Amino acid sequence: DIQMTQSPSSLSPSVGDRVIITCRASQSIRNHLNWYQQKAGKAPKLLIYAASSLQSGVPSRFSGSGSGTEFTLTISSLQPEDFATYYCQQSYSTPYTFGQGTKLDIK
Amino acid sequence: EVQLLQSGAEVKKPGESLKISCKGSGYNFNTYWIVWVRQMPGKGLEWMGIIYPGDSDTRYSPSFQGQVTMSVDKSISTAYLQWSSLQASDTAMFYCARGGYGPKSDGPFDYWGQGILVTVSS
Repeated sequence: DIQMTQSPSSLSPSVGDRVIITCRASQSIRNHLNWYQQKAGKAPKLLIYAASSLQSGVPSRFSGSGSGTEFTLTISSLQPEDFATYYCQQSYSTPYTFGQGTKLDIK
Repeated sequence: EVQLLQSGAEVKKPGESLKISCKGSGYNFNTYWIVWVRQMPGKGLEWMGIIYPGDSDTRYSPSFQGQVTMSVDKSISTAYLQWSSLQASDTAMFYCARGGYGPKSDGPFDYWGQGILVTVSS
């Protein structure tokens, strides 16, 4: 199985901060990397697919980059509604594993 | 509007069987993969497996192979996840989501059901 490792596991940024979350794959997954946001008690929501493509309806402050084994999710200016847990997920080979998650807590 | 509507919360005893459902609407159900994801209390997301309604091609995570069974009924655009004998450790939230289009299963999960909380307790 491909292991996905996110860092950091948690973060306490302030509104307006630039936030960067990193996801590393245990082997190359080319650009088969997706990012999801999950708010407490809710289903996950797709933010970014194929490493850098913004899902329809997602604000442009979210962006993704990377290929191979290292990927980043960037939130350019954190908004109050962005406090949530973020997961990366590889879709290169089954099982399509998730990272362990990165929780953004209000400072 | 694409929607995945999951069945209601379940409370079961250890050893009981269970089948939960996920009904798709607003799109051609037969041509998109359906994925099942587990989230244990306070924990992260776990990919359980994926099924293609068009031909019932199914891929399980090794962690769940033999523990659950995925199936579909194309006639009513519904996917199922079932257990033959539940354990307390099966207590979790289970989500279905729409996956990739067509025979390749590698698409992102763009629409999600609301989740089903399964509680297994004696």
